[in-house]
Amino acid sequence: QLVLTQSPSASASLGASVKLTCTLSSGHSSYAIAWHQQQPEKGPRYLMKLHNDGSHNKGDGVPDRFSGSSSGAERYLTISSLQSDDEADYYCQTWDTGVQVFGGGTKLTVL
Amino acid sequence: EVQLVESGGGLVQPGGSLRLSCAASGFTFRSFAMNWVRQAPGKGLEWVSFLSGSGANLYYADSVKGRFTISRDNSKNTLYLQMNSLRAEDTAIYYCAKLAVVAASGPFDCWGQGTLVTVSS
Repeated sequence: QLVLTQSPSASASLGASVKLTCTLSSGHSSYAIAWHQQQPEKGPRYLMKLHNDGSHNKGDGVPDRFSGSSSGAERYLTISSLQSDDEADYYCQTWDTGVQVFGGGTKLTVL
Repeated sequence: EVQLVESGGGLVQPGGSLRLSCAASGFTFRSFAMNWVRQAPGKGLEWVSFLSGSGANLYYADSVKGRFTISRDNSKNTLYLQMNSLRAEDTAIYYCAKLAVVAASGPFDCWGQGTLVTVSS
């Protein structure tokens, strides 16, 4: 079964960097994922598509501070030079024929 | 600019029906598959349904299969979700989302602002 696992929460200081993790279920380590940001009281925003080789395609207007990387079944979103409005929920998404799957989301707190 | 605007949400009693709409603009609507995704209060995102650009291929989450129907009118650039036999657990913000690629599956690259559906007596 295709499942994505994310840690429920993360925190980092203003101006620092943070790396969020999304883990694909066993047997699905070759799958690409997407990262989405959801700020409080807003709809989600597409950040990037991330391939298993670490290459990624960012959405329009996504700052260079956001980058993606991969290792095995793990997919990462790194945010550098953290700003206050990076405080949000971050969701990973993957897909297969007939199904779309979301991770449970990581709530990022900027200290 | 690509834009998705949902409407049609509201308060409905358990067992009732509601039809949501999603008006699309800024892209060739008929070329892209569309999806509905929901978010219960304080919870994460849950995919609900997929419909291909032509309307030939459609899929549903098990939680809504047999109760919800996805459709589209490519002449009106509009996506719909007909929701019947509504339950309290269907209470959520419903988002429409566009597939990023002209393909059978892939990531979502544009989301609407959402419309709130509340199922309660």
